[in-house]
Amino acid sequence: AQSVTQLGSHVSVSEGALVLLRCNYSSSVPPYLFWYVQYPNQGLQLLLKYTSAATLVKGINGFEAEFKKSETSFHLTKPSAHMSDAAEYFCAVSPAGRRALTFGSGTRLQVQP
Amino acid sequence: KAGVTQTPRYLIKTRGQQVTLSCSPISGHRSVSWYQQTPGQGLQFLFEYFSETQRNKGNFPGRFSGRQFSNSRSEMNVSTLELGDSALYLCASSLTGGDQETQYFGPGTRLLVL
Repeated sequence: AQSVTQLGSHVSVSEGALVLLRCNYSSSVPPYLFWYVQYPNQGLQLLLKYTSAATLVKGINGFEAEFKKSETSFHLTKPSAHMSDAAEYFCAVSPAGRRALTFGSGTRLQVQP
Repeated sequence: KAGVTQTPRYLIKTRGQQVTLSCSPISGHRSVSWYQQTPGQGLQFLFEYFSETQRNKGNFPGRFSGRQFSNSRSEMNVSTLELGDSALYLCASSLTGGDQETQYFGPGTRLLVL
């Protein structure tokens, strides 16, 4: 079964610093990959997704992620953190034909002023 | 377009009771999926419906069931509630449920079982 591993359950950065949230997937076939963000007491909002069209994917709010098949990674980055980026971030994989998302355990991003 | 709506937003039940949660997908979306979110187990897939048919099911006991109506609205039911069923239940909709389609999530229903 395909799975997703997010390294670091908590990440803290200073406002204006680089944000790097790590995601590795296990799959022999490149799957479809997603990053979602969850703000307190809310549902999940899609940041970006990889569907094999391009390895560098740009999303909303200045986030982007690069699909690296050789490293089986799909790390999320943002050049400059903003206070409003404080939230929980989930990496997810959609195995072919399953019509269901498998989520990582999540990374809580804290942004210090 | 209106987003995915879920009702109720909060619910308190006692062990042994049953509960029904409702989800209205984005207009035009025919696939509805349900997920359970808990601090211990994270986000887990419950089931997916398309055209009133359950197409996929996660690894949950039979106490968890669902259905979809002809207007694509969906309900999920949990019978004989246990303390461990306390969770945020999220509903997501997409056009047809394709693997690369974006699933749009509702705000969730927070269930507390006492």
